[in-house]
Amino acid sequence: SQTIHQWPATLVQPVGSPLSLECTVEGTSNPNLYWYRQAAGRGLQLLFYSVGIGQISSEVPQNLSASRPQDRQFILSSKKLLLSDSGFYLCAWSVMSGGPVEQYFGPGTRLTVT
Amino acid sequence: EDQVTQSPEALRLQEGESSSLNCSYTVSGLRGLFWYRQDPGKGPEFLFTLYSAGEEKEKERLKATLTKKESFLHITAPKPEDSATYLCAVQAIYNQGGKLIFGQGTELSVKP
Repeated sequence: SQTIHQWPATLVQPVGSPLSLECTVEGTSNPNLYWYRQAAGRGLQLLFYSVGIGQISSEVPQNLSASRPQDRQFILSSKKLLLSDSGFYLCAWSVMSGGPVEQYFGPGTRLTVT
Repeated sequence: EDQVTQSPEALRLQEGESSSLNCSYTVSGLRGLFWYRQDPGKGPEFLFTLYSAGEEKEKERLKATLTKKESFLHITAPKPEDSATYLCAVQAIYNQGGKLIFGQGTELSVKP
């Protein structure tokens, strides 16, 4: 069965510090991978998605970047954090298909920028 | 512009009191509509996928239905453990990479 991991689970970082959040998927190959941010515990905002190694699409211009160095690894980074970067970050994966495909989410990382 | 609107924002029910959550969507060609459950501090958990108008899916006390403009999540005789935020999302035909557009969610609270 497939499993998705995220770490760390919680993170408190000062403004201006760098960020690296990691997501890995087990039990599947060549998945689509996604990074979302959820503010105030409600709607999810898609930040980045990737359909393959080294292929990153950005949805929202911002202070963050993403990379996919391996097939089942997705990394979210920032060189200098802003207060507005605080939130709940979720990684998700889906299979590649021409039809409707659901996404499966990881446990999330709670980021607080102080 | 593709859009998903969920109502109500919050719903409080007594145990056993059935009700429905609404998800209205605007999309240029629907590939699929998805329902998720999210518990506080956790990632969303997939519940249902609906593909075409008239389709229904059931799981325990939950039943999801789909029309051309909206979807309903019916909760029959809810229990306190059904308390969670329920998220609706749509996937458009032309979207690359299987992207989902989420609504803001409905926070359901079921009191014993």
